[in-house]
Amino acid sequence: DQQVKQNSPSLSVQEGRISILNCDYTNSMFDYFLWYKKYPAEGPTFLISISSIKDKNEDGRFTVFLNKSAKHLSLHIVPSQPGDSAVYFCAATSSGATNKLIFGTGTLLAVQP
Amino acid sequence: GAGVSQTPSNKVTEKGKYVELRCDPISGHTALYWYRQSLGQGPEFLIYFQGTGAADDSGLPNDRFFAVRPEGSVSTLKIQRTERGDSAVYLCASSLSTGMGRNEQFFGPGTRLTVL
Repeated sequence: DQQVKQNSPSLSVQEGRISILNCDYTNSMFDYFLWYKKYPAEGPTFLISISSIKDKNEDGRFTVFLNKSAKHLSLHIVPSQPGDSAVYFCAATSSGATNKLIFGTGTLLAVQP
Repeated sequence: GAGVSQTPSNKVTEKGKYVELRCDPISGHTALYWYRQSLGQGPEFLIYFQGTGAADDSGLPNDRFFAVRPEGSVSTLKIQRTERGDSAVYLCASSLSTGMGRNEQFFGPGTRLTVL
């Protein structure tokens, strides 16, 4: 049972344009969501997070949107840069637990120069 | 270095053998996590330590897997009687604490385990 789903295995975007990565979840107990970025042969690196009490969080070029009623979140990167090319993982967790992260399967973003 | 380190970076073993994977968390981080990432999948939670104790081992797939953190710092993931299906990248992460104050988990580069 995949509680966090990233239905797009890959995405290709032109440099300077917006990248939109999507994530859906099924567990209504999740109340904190994170995006991690992963380069080959490296561990995931934290990018941005959002609490369920918010619907938007912004950090520089990165913005995460949360739609709780739809159990959907998205990561917007604008403008996209070639260095953003990596695998992006959506993750979720619930408060009161161990803060263990439940990850999606990832989306490979390729930003074309 | 200041990050999470894991050794070895690669481990090749034969089916049925015993392996140990080591994780050195960031100094001062009390929470430590082990995850496993199979090909084409996201990381999957295995076990969580708060200090020296395993507070949540619900992700360990079976009793061939065991982990320790005797002094609340370095952790070792131990796999007995390895099977080909154990082949994956084993990731370790650490954070300052858990609970209502959300703390970012910092990941190490992982150990790629291949069971022949």
